[in-house]
Amino acid sequence: DGGITQSPKYLFRKEGQNVTLSCEQNLNHDAMYWYRQDPGQGLRLIYYSQIVNDFQKGDIAEGYSVSREKKESFPLTVTSAQKNPTAFYLCASSISGGTGGEQFFGPGTRLTVL
Amino acid sequence: AQSVTQLGSHVSVSEGALVLLRCNYSSSVPPYLFWYVQYPNQGLQLLLKYTSAATLVKGINGFEAEFKKSETSFHLTKPSAHMSDAAEYFCAMFSGGYNKLIFGAGTRLAVHP
Repeated sequence: DGGITQSPKYLFRKEGQNVTLSCEQNLNHDAMYWYRQDPGQGLRLIYYSQIVNDFQKGDIAEGYSVSREKKESFPLTVTSAQKNPTAFYLCASSISGGTGGEQFFGPGTRLTVL
Repeated sequence: AQSVTQLGSHVSVSEGALVLLRCNYSSSVPPYLFWYVQYPNQGLQLLLKYTSAATLVKGINGFEAEFKKSETSFHLTKPSAHMSDAAEYFCAMFSGGYNKLIFGAGTRLAVHP
């Protein structure tokens, strides 16, 4: 089955630690995205990538970093510079970033900072 | 500026009643519009999408939405609510200028017996 996988489903981090969230897709999509979801705020775009080895900042990129070394993988690192990292993180992909096609979402990772 | 507004953060209906979730958009160009559903602790699932073909769009699980340019609206409806429809619903618009989806804040639908 084609789809998007995110791991882990739950993640706990101590303050001051960096942590990396995994996102893998086997849909052969060019574009991938990371969103942060907080209660009552909908989804906010952190980073997106339209092609391998290229990515752009979204609306709330501060304190986060990404890489796109392979088409199927788009890991997100939450750094210690992110002041309030506790949230639900969603990864998505689409066929191409500029065609207006729908995005397909992974099941999410819930990050809690202790 | 491009934006999506969902009226009502919480909507409650009785089982069997009409479901109406409101979405208005602001865009200077013809938009692509989407409705997604999210069940607790899960990702988003596409319900339906409008891409400038028919203005009445039918989706999964009996939902449909009508694009009204004059009202800049894309409201989601379902004739008869089921308990399984209880979830959070997001309206989204594709922003070609920024190559990204712009999401509304979401509407949480509760269905009671």
